[in-house]
Amino acid sequence: AQTVTQSQPEMSVQEAETVTLSCTYDTSESDYYLFWYKQPPSRQMILVIRQEAYKQQNATENRFSVNFQKAAKSFSLKISDSQLGDAAMYFCAYRSPNNNNDMRFGAGTRLTVKP
Amino acid sequence: DSGVTQTPKHLITATGQRVTLRCSPRSGDLSVYWYQQSLDQGLQFLIQYYNGEERAKGNILERFSAQQFPDLHSELNLSSLELGDSALYFCASSVSTSFSYNEQFFGPGTRLTVL
Repeated sequence: AQTVTQSQPEMSVQEAETVTLSCTYDTSESDYYLFWYKQPPSRQMILVIRQEAYKQQNATENRFSVNFQKAAKSFSLKISDSQLGDAAMYFCAYRSPNNNNDMRFGAGTRLTVKP
Repeated sequence: DSGVTQTPKHLITATGQRVTLRCSPRSGDLSVYWYQQSLDQGLQFLIQYYNGEERAKGNILERFSAQQFPDLHSELNLSSLELGDSALYFCASSVSTSFSYNEQFFGPGTRLTVL
């Protein structure tokens, strides 16, 4: 079964600085999707960024980018120019082409942004 | 606003009781997923429905059941409730269940408290 590991329970960053959140996963599949979700205090799950495993190019969404290392099964999230509104729980997720698309989530990383 | 609605927002009940959580997917989405998020934990996939039919089961207890109706809304039924069932229950929807890029949109969640 696929597992997703986020080894940093908590991270802190100074406003306007850059922070990287780590995620590794275990799979024997060659094709899959990876996601980063943000969960602010409102508890709403918000999609931040997504990556298709067959694409070598790292996904980028404004200040958010990923470093996808398929061989190492690593999928880190980089947040540039951190803003106070970025403070939230961040969850890494893996979706398999099998098992009817259910997603496996990591335990999350709580990001604090210091003014 | 993701377009996915969930009711009620909060639910407080006693052990041994039965509750029903409701989810309306985004317009046009045929697939509905249910997740459970216990306190400060990642999301655990419970079950998926597609166009009225069950497609996948995750870590769903036998005391829990779900269904998707012809109008595509879904209900998650939790019975013989225990203290450990207290959690945030999310519903998500997506366009289809086929393996193509297929983003899941999350509702705001229902917070269940079992006393």
